[in-house]
Amino acid sequence: NAGVTQTPKFQVLKTGQSMTLQCAQDMNHEYMSWYRQDPGMGLRLIHYSVGAGITDQGEVPNGYNVSRSTTEDFPLRLLSAAPSQTSVYFCASSYLGQGNYGYTFGSGTRLTVV
Amino acid sequence: AQSVTQLDSQVPVFEEAPVELRCNYSSSVSVYLFWYVQYPNQGLQLLLKYLSGSTLVKGINGFEAEFNKSQTSFHLRKPSVHISDTAEYFCAVSAPGRDDKIIFGKGTRLHILP
Repeated sequence: NAGVTQTPKFQVLKTGQSMTLQCAQDMNHEYMSWYRQDPGMGLRLIHYSVGAGITDQGEVPNGYNVSRSTTEDFPLRLLSAAPSQTSVYFCASSYLGQGNYGYTFGSGTRLTVV
Repeated sequence: AQSVTQLDSQVPVFEEAPVELRCNYSSSVSVYLFWYVQYPNQGLQLLLKYLSGSTLVKGINGFEAEFNKSQTSFHLRKPSVHISDTAEYFCAVSAPGRDDKIIFGKGTRLHILP
């Protein structure tokens, strides 16, 4: 089925470990983004991309890196995990210029850092 | 920059009663407005959107919202709720033509009482 696929669904990390959250979409969407969701905080934008080779920072970029080598994939890297990064992470995508018509969201990755 | 304020973090309502979830926005430019719904342990789905034109917008599952420019509000309403409407609802805003970013409110959790 077409859509946004996030892997893994669940992950436990130790403080200081690194990992990559994967996001892939098969709708040929130019725009992709990463949000984190925390209780009482809503969704906060981490990083976003308007096309392959182009990325930019959102509201809460510290501690996260992204790259966009293909249209389909937009991985999120945690270089040195901290307990404050315990959260649910959502990837979203849309056609460029039509993002204002709404995003397609993945089902999320629940990350716990101990 | 745009921002969104959802005035209630939780709203309890009896089944078959009407409900209104409140949302106010702030922006120095014209905006697009959205409501998303998140059912337990799922990603976000677009409920409805206001882009232009009629200020009364109808969405899925019997929800509607009214754009009020003078009050900078975009409240969500449903005349009769069901147990299946139990979810968290997010109001969101974006600026037309500006890098497709969508800014989310902190969410309102709707509790349906039997």
